[in-house]
Amino acid sequence: NAGVTQTPKFQVLKTGQSMTLQCAQDMNHNSMYWYRQDPGMGLRLIYYSASEGTTDKGEVPNGYNVSRLNKREFSLRLESAAPSQTSVYFCASSNRDRDEKLFFGSGTQLSVL
Amino acid sequence: AQSVTQPDIHITVSEGASLELRCNYSYGATPYLFWYVQSPGQGLQLLLKYFSGDTLVQGIKGFEAEFKRSQSSFNLRKPSVHWSDAAEYFCAVGAEGGATNKLIFGTGTLLAVQP
Repeated sequence: NAGVTQTPKFQVLKTGQSMTLQCAQDMNHNSMYWYRQDPGMGLRLIYYSASEGTTDKGEVPNGYNVSRLNKREFSLRLESAAPSQTSVYFCASSNRDRDEKLFFGSGTQLSVL
Repeated sequence: AQSVTQPDIHITVSEGASLELRCNYSYGATPYLFWYVQSPGQGLQLLLKYFSGDTLVQGIKGFEAEFKRSQSSFNLRKPSVHWSDAAEYFCAVGAEGGATNKLIFGTGTLLAVQP
């Protein structure tokens, strides 16, 4: 089972460039999430999608947009990358919006110069 | 506001020794509590969770955690550490009734295991 697949694994951008991080899950989960992980700060939720066709802001949504393309796929877009967006990004999914564990992808390490 | 504190940034233990990782939370109602583990270069994996009932919770890989409401703690324990347990461990509290989309993560404890 592939679980949650993220692409790319590594990316270097220049300030102002745009890019989209892709995420797909094959577990038929309803809910999907994007987190960022920064040293000393744990994981912080950027956006989530409780079900296909819906998205909501998390703790740190500024500078990001998301698209829930279908039940399997949830993409994160940086329209104009900034050095403050240098981070490790994780996609996750869960079966329900409550009482259910998160399944994580292996992460995307993004550097913005 | 909900919060999670993991006071130990880095812990080193010898293989075969016991382990306790500390987690303190701040939450007004009954918390939903989780421990996740992250191996190098990987995403997080759920070790165990507490929602209600028995305050001693068993998880995968021989880990357990005890919920102590009076101390606002949910410490993770393992009687005998293996070298493969070297990883980063995150405590998380479910905000607003436990909804997965409202999880608050601690800053993590990095565990090193000496041979």
